[in-house]
Amino acid sequence: DTAVSQTPKYLVTQMGNDKSIKCEQNLGHDTMYWYKQDSKKFLKIMFSYNNKELIINETVPNRFSPKSPDKAHLNLHINSLELGDSAVYFCASSLEWGEQYFGPGTRLTVT
Amino acid sequence: GDSVTQMEGPVTLSEEAFLTINCTYTATGYPSLFWYVQYPGEGLQLLLKATKADDKGSNKGFEATYRKETTSFHLEKGSVQVSDSAVYFCALTHRAGNMLTFGGGTRLMVKP
Repeated sequence: DTAVSQTPKYLVTQMGNDKSIKCEQNLGHDTMYWYKQDSKKFLKIMFSYNNKELIINETVPNRFSPKSPDKAHLNLHINSLELGDSAVYFCASSLEWGEQYFGPGTRLTVT
Repeated sequence: GDSVTQMEGPVTLSEEAFLTINCTYTATGYPSLFWYVQYPGEGLQLLLKATKADDKGSNKGFEATYRKETTSFHLEKGSVQVSDSAVYFCALTHRAGNMLTFGGGTRLMVKP
């Protein structure tokens, strides 16, 4: 059984488009996250979200927005895509202060 | 703010060699410390962790000790295998949001 899953695995799109990446976890966790990994493998937190609060990394452009329909899902919406948004995006989940479990990643390529 | 610095790679070793990957951190208070591993084309897997000073995390022959006096959490393994080839990330969390701050990653290549 997949613990944290993401769709799609690969996403190729043009500049200016709006796209979403979906994340689902079946671990019963109450906190979910999005991370961005750039071409040099550097990983950076984007959001932390549970049913109490959303914490946003101040460096994330407001074109990025997390949306959570329920505790098991945290989707990432990106508006007006730019070339610099090309990266691998990882979803993760945890119990509120626990260790995080990562999804397999979504490779986004903006042309 | 918090930061994690780890040695740049790639680190290339022969099978059965001793591995050390250095990691130091800057943070206020008492963060929890982690090592994650990323195999080619895959997501991150937690390798080991330590939540307080002098704790030793260990898993699959890898070890790291939380040294508050030197703000370090160096990863070691006594005898590496080809299957250990991957990118290793040192990371920390603070309770606020439980968000991970990662180091830049160190690529390990083990040759037969």
